[in-house]
Amino acid sequence: DTGVSQDPRHKITKRGQNVTFRCDPISEHNRLYWYRQTLGQGPEFLTYFQNEAQLEKSRLLSDRFSAERPKGSFSTLEIQRTEQGDSAMYLCASSLPDVLTDTQYFGPGTRLTVL
Amino acid sequence: GQQLNQSPQSMFIQEGEDVSMNCTSSSIFNTWLWYKQDPGEGPVLLIALYKAGELTSNGRLTAQFGITRKDSFLNISASIPSDVGIYFCAGQAGTALIFGKGTTLSVSS
Repeated sequence: DTGVSQDPRHKITKRGQNVTFRCDPISEHNRLYWYRQTLGQGPEFLTYFQNEAQLEKSRLLSDRFSAERPKGSFSTLEIQRTEQGDSAMYLCASSLPDVLTDTQYFGPGTRLTVL
Repeated sequence: GQQLNQSPQSMFIQEGEDVSMNCTSSSIFNTWLWYKQDPGEGPVLLIALYKAGELTSNGRLTAQFGITRKDSFLNISASIPSDVGIYFCAGQAGTALIFGKGTTLSVSS
């Protein structure tokens, strides 16, 4: 069973450019989450999907950010008009919740550097 | 955003020593999780706790879900060099995880 995968692992871009990241969850996991982690901090929740439906968005998810999960499998996170403050590690997680538990497993992350 | 209070912030220990770290919150959680993160990688799940008072072990790691549901601790026994990394606690009340700021563990041999 393969874990959560993310692509690319690293992205360097210039301020004002658009970037897109991809996440492939663990097979059969119907929930997919995006988190952002800055240096010295724990991950912070951005948004999550149940199958293809985006059910919750954090206040951190500005209107320059958009996430999709069109077929309920992989997901993309796009950041438009990047700013230096967007530099962070973007983490994806997936889960298959049951009645009592909803354990999230993380991917390796995409490190974004905005120059 | 909201974060948990995780302590200590960092620890420097000798190989073979035991380690203890904890997390506290002003909010009640239904689940507590402990993750380990190596530089440049994503968090890896160590232990998940689903019931208040639950004590769970995973090899040399032991974690407990506080009876008030507002705290948790993680113990590592007989530390080894590969225990080096950042340990995060995470609480879950709904779907999103709320993370602490991490405990950085350094082990000297």
